[in-house]
Order: sequence, then structure tokens, then C-alpha cells
Amino acid sequence: DVKVTQSSRYLVKRTGEKVFLECVQDMDHENMFWYRQDPGLGLRLIYFSYDVKMKEKGDIPEGYSVSREKKERFSLILESASTNQTSMYLCASKTPGQNYGYTFGSGTRLTVV
Amino acid sequence: SQKIEQNSEALNIQEGKTATLTCNYTNYSPAYLQWYRQDPGRGPVFLLLIRENEKEKRKERLKVTFDTTLKQSLFHITASQPADSATYLCALERDDKIIFGKGTRLHILP
Repeated sequence: DVKVTQSSRYLVKRTGEKVFLECVQDMDHENMFWYRQDPGLGLRLIYFSYDVKMKEKGDIPEGYSVSREKKERFSLILESASTNQTSMYLCASKTPGQNYGYTFGSGTRLTVV
Repeated sequence: SQKIEQNSEALNIQEGKTATLTCNYTNYSPAYLQWYRQDPGRGPVFLLLIRENEKEKRKERLKVTFDTTLKQSLFHITASQPADSATYLCALERDDKIIFGKGTRLHILP
């Protein structure tokens, strides 16, 4: 089975800190995604990547950046954390063009204080 | 704009009965429609995918229908069990772009 691993289940950071959320998948998937999920708002796409060193903005990229130096690893960076970035962050991966679903990590619950 | 609608109110179903969840969409022509299960504090887990040219798909106690004319999918869990209690998300995909509904919370009452 494909596994997507997010490095932390829970994180507490201070306002203004630089925050790194790591995601690793073990099935050689090209496509990787970062979402945040908030009550009443559902899943919102932050950034995605279709290849190494490639990145595309999703629907809510402001305040975030990403890095994909290796195919299996996709990192989300909060340059200067703010309280409105308190959320559940979910990483997902998929092989393009294949008709099966996305594989999600277990999520990182980030609290910015 | 593209829109997916799932019943935002929780659905309470008696154990053993069939639970039916609805997903409606507008302004979109998905190639695939997917259903996911999400437990509290966890990531969504993929359950089923149905293609635009398929009417119905089954997997164990799960059945999904897809009506591209009505722009609707129905997700059925037969012989429901308390362990089926979760939030269920539908998602529409075309050209490797996917949009998710906000999910419906399902409670199976013992």
C-alpha cells in the first residue's frame, strides 16, 4: 500500500516563527499536494507539484511556500506563522492519469499562538 | 463557478439499515467521481472511484451511483454498522485536478 507520512501529528508554534511541514511518500508518485482543512470550509488546496523542483499555486497560497527537491518529499513552509494559519494540514499524493484516488497522510494539527 | 454540495447536516441511521449520502455538483464535467472516508483528526481515506461512463460501482457493502445528467452521485452503505460512523467526502476529478465537497457526517446508531 502507498504510504504518505507527515512528520508531525501535532505542532505548536509562535507567531512569526518559520515552520516546516514535511511529507514523504513511498510509491514514486509524481503528483503531490498540500491542503489545509478547517471546519465549515472543507479541504482547500495550498500548493501542488507535478515533478521535482516544480510547484504550482493552489487556491490559497498566500503566506506559504513549498519545496520539492526529491520526488518522494514535498515540504510546506510557513514563512512567518500567523494565528490564522492554525489548521489541520494534509499532504496527498497520486500517480497522474490513473483512475484511483489520492492517498493522504494522517495530517498535522498546527496551532500558532 | 464549480460547486459540490453535500448535505451539511449529520445523517443518523439505525444499525443494519442502508445509509445513503448524496453529492450534487454544478458547472463541472468530471471524468471521475470519488468517495472518501474521514475519521476525526485523520486524513481522508479513498474508498471508491467511478468513471463518467459508469452508472454504478460496488465494493463489499458500498455502492456508488453516478448520474451525469442529474449531476449527482449517491453513496450507499448497506447493513450499516457503528464502525461506519465517519465523515464521507465526495470529490470530482478531471485532468488531474480535483475538487472536494465539505463532507457529510454519518452516525450509525446501535
